[in-house]
Amino acid sequence: GENVEQHPSTLSVQEGDSAVIKCTYSDSASNYFPWYKQELGKGPQLIIDIRSNVGEKKDQRIAVTLNKTAKHFSLHITETQPEDSAVYFCAAGVSTLGRLYFGRGTQLTVWP
Amino acid sequence: GAVVSQHPSWVICKSGTSVKIECRSLDFQATTMFWYRQFPKQSLMLMATSNEGSKATYEQGVEKDKFLINHASLTLSTLTVTSAHPEDSSFYICSAKGGTDNYGYTFGSGTRLTVV
Repeated sequence: GENVEQHPSTLSVQEGDSAVIKCTYSDSASNYFPWYKQELGKGPQLIIDIRSNVGEKKDQRIAVTLNKTAKHFSLHITETQPEDSAVYFCAAGVSTLGRLYFGRGTQLTVWP
Repeated sequence: GAVVSQHPSWVICKSGTSVKIECRSLDFQATTMFWYRQFPKQSLMLMATSNEGSKATYEQGVEKDKFLINHASLTLSTLTVTSAHPEDSSFYICSAKGGTDNYGYTFGSGTRLTVV
């Protein structure tokens, strides 16, 4: 099955700085790569996703890049704000098969 | 956008009793629903996948007689934790897939189960 590795496990940044979280995957058949933000006691919320036919996608302060050859994808958050503090999960999957494989998560703390 | 409603958000029950958790897709038909379990500060662990009208597929190590999953309609799936024990205490989250976007996954808000 798919194996998704995520780094770092914790990340602390100053407000206004950028944050980068990286993930690798093992199954070349995976073609869907979403990123989720999870606040304490809540379910994961999709913040951005990318499909294998695209190398980069941006939505305001959030961007995701995908390198299919190297099997890695990254989340970039610019101009971080304290409200960005949460746990972020990357995931990978083959859309037609349904299930997603999750990374272990990154606890992001943005200090004011 | 797609919305998945999960209830209850938290529940406390006594050891030996059963608890039912509901997961509803509010504005789309969920062909597939997934149930996850999450321990504190850990990732989501897939428990089972259910397709409407058929038996759920359980992941290795998950007791299907303990965690009963029913997906009787395209908008509702339920997870029943039977004969609950303190070690079943966890955060349970459902996810639904469906709609016109073949890639779409939407998560519920989760249920905090505490067994005393």
